[in-house]
Amino acid sequence: ILNVEQSPQSLHVQEGDSTNFTCSFPSSNFYALHWYRWETAKSPEALFVMTLNGDEKKKGRISATLNTKEGYSYLYIKGSQPEDSATYLCASYFTGTASKLTFGTGTRLQVTL
Amino acid sequence: DGGITQSPKYLFRKEGQNVTLSCEQNLNHDAMYWYRQDPGQGLRLIYYSQIVNDFQKGDIAEGYSVSREKKESFPLTVTSAQKNPTAFYLCASSSNLGGQPQHFGDGTRLSIL
Repeated sequence: ILNVEQSPQSLHVQEGDSTNFTCSFPSSNFYALHWYRWETAKSPEALFVMTLNGDEKKKGRISATLNTKEGYSYLYIKGSQPEDSATYLCASYFTGTASKLTFGTGTRLQVTL
Repeated sequence: DGGITQSPKYLFRKEGQNVTLSCEQNLNHDAMYWYRQDPGQGLRLIYYSQIVNDFQKGDIAEGYSVSREKKESFPLTVTSAQKNPTAFYLCASSSNLGGQPQHFGDGTRLSIL
């Protein structure tokens, strides 16, 4: 069974705080790691796709890192804003699973003024 | 604009009734997917299709059926055999290249009358 786990389950921060979440996955048979942002009443939107150990991606105030040897990825948000409030989903491709993504349960972020 | 369209947004099913959820994409993607979301759980894969006229069962296919007669369309039928159909259903598509991000529709919420 290929489990992708995310922590924390939910997070409540104040505007301006920086925060980070963790995604853990089995390192064997790993192929790619995805991060998605899912805002309420909208569809999930891809943030990053990472494949190589040590990969770092950045999009505005959001960045992500990947460690394939130990099986984890961090998502960082610098200076959180209320519009960052969403559920952040992590998902992984594993070799031998065709085009199937295995999703974590998500981290729900709420940013208040 | 290119994207994925799911319909209807809300759907109600009577006991013993089959219902079909529509998913159409104009992104020219080969692969399409159906996911189910329940409270407190990650997205779980129901069925996926990598090419027209071919599809595979995902992790929770029992009580569901699909067809892929056209590249653009991947309808999901929730049959009467699915005893707990109340959930949020998401359709997605991607190119078949491994590791490419998935694009999601807005979802259909199915409830039992």
